[in-house]
Amino acid sequence: QVQLQESGPGLVKPSETLSLTCTVSTGSITRFFWGWIRQPPGQGLEWIGYISYSGNTNYNPSLKSRVTMSLDTPKNQFSLRLKSVTALDTAVYYCARGEWLFDYWGQGVLVTVSS
Amino acid sequence: DIQVTQSPSSVSASVGDRVTITCRTSQGINSWLAWYQQKPGKAPKLLIYAASTLPSGVPSRFSGSGSGTDFTLTISSLQPEDFATYYCQQANNFPLTFGQGTRLEIK
Repeated sequence: QVQLQESGPGLVKPSETLSLTCTVSTGSITRFFWGWIRQPPGQGLEWIGYISYSGNTNYNPSLKSRVTMSLDTPKNQFSLRLKSVTALDTAVYYCARGEWLFDYWGQGVLVTVSS
Repeated sequence: DIQVTQSPSSVSASVGDRVTITCRTSQGINSWLAWYQQKPGKAPKLLIYAASTLPSGVPSRFSGSGSGTDFTLTISSLQPEDFATYYCQQANNFPLTFGQGTRLEIK
């Protein structure tokens, strides 16, 4: 059973950078695609992007100018950085396995953007 | 971007009822549609992919159908654990997009 766990600060100040890490247990991240999805409180799901096992990325155009994803294969982790955040970036952030759809998800982490 | 519209936005039903949720996309996506179930405070769970395929472990009371732009999720006999929010997601084009969700409530 693949398990994913997000970690990172729960509070980020406006204009700063949101940084999250997803740790994958059971299996190597060098075999699949890995994605990030977010969900503002009480709202629906928004795809942020993915990073492939080889490090190729594909981002949602609505966020592309602010997003960076990376792999840390020795630690079996992948990461999300979202710069210049505003209150509109407040959401539960999920990491998940998949390129076109997502079969394993982390439990999610609430990130609040506030001063 | 492909727009994904679900209906209804909410539905009330009783245990044992048959429920159908509809998903419509703004352009044809063949059968590249997935359904997820989300319970409060939990991550979404993949329920159906390729419009009608159930992953291992998903009960057979769930079924999906459709192709092109119109899709349905049917729960044949509601169980107490099925009360949740359901999302469809198109998997044909990037950026991937989700429907707004359908909240299934106990009547």
